[in-house]
Amino acid sequence: DPKIIQKPKYLVAVTGSEKILICEQYLGHNAMYWYRQSAKKPLEFMFSYSYQKLMDNQTASSRFQPQSSKKNHLDLQITALKPDDSATYFCASSQAGTLNTGQLYFGEGSKLTVL
Amino acid sequence: QQQVRQSPQSLTVWEGETAILNCSYENSAFDYFPWYQQFPGEGPALLISILSVSNKKEDGRFTIFFNKREKKLSLHIADSQPGDSATYFCAASETGGNNKLTFGQGTVLSVIP
Repeated sequence: DPKIIQKPKYLVAVTGSEKILICEQYLGHNAMYWYRQSAKKPLEFMFSYSYQKLMDNQTASSRFQPQSSKKNHLDLQITALKPDDSATYFCASSQAGTLNTGQLYFGEGSKLTVL
Repeated sequence: QQQVRQSPQSLTVWEGETAILNCSYENSAFDYFPWYQQFPGEGPALLISILSVSNKKEDGRFTIFFNKREKKLSLHIADSQPGDSATYFCAASETGGNNKLTFGQGTVLSVIP
């Protein structure tokens, strides 16, 4: 059974609309992340949360807003969608701590297509 | 500016051969280098990792060779199997960097039976 659940797996949106990507992890981790994988681009770090607090934000646009309602949830709200937002969005989690081990566990991704 | 580069983009080897995947980086502050394996339709999964204080790390058929002076590393997959066919990502981060990984663009490995 997947330990990191992302919903939906696929979604199609029209330009200008808003979507929310859901992420729940059942690994008991206290740090969660969003990464984006666009066509022909490397996986890119977007946000990191630790104990439900924003630790790092590498997303220039305020159209991307993470939302953490519970310790094991980190949703991603995207507003005013643009075709360039088309990508697969991966949620990840890890044990937070002072030592960065790089051991991230990734979900299966939500593939967003913006028309 | 791409901080982590991988080569080749794609690689085909015969079953039983050793596949060699290369990676280089620019940021001298990077000191942790995980390799991730990704199958189609799945998220990346940690395969093996190395800290910059080491120059070699082995885990079964997978070995990382690391050259800090040249800012290069490579992943060797010995006795390649068809099940190893996947995309391999080299990543880099600073310890204490909140797991903010910088990924390379990936190498697609195909292992022919």
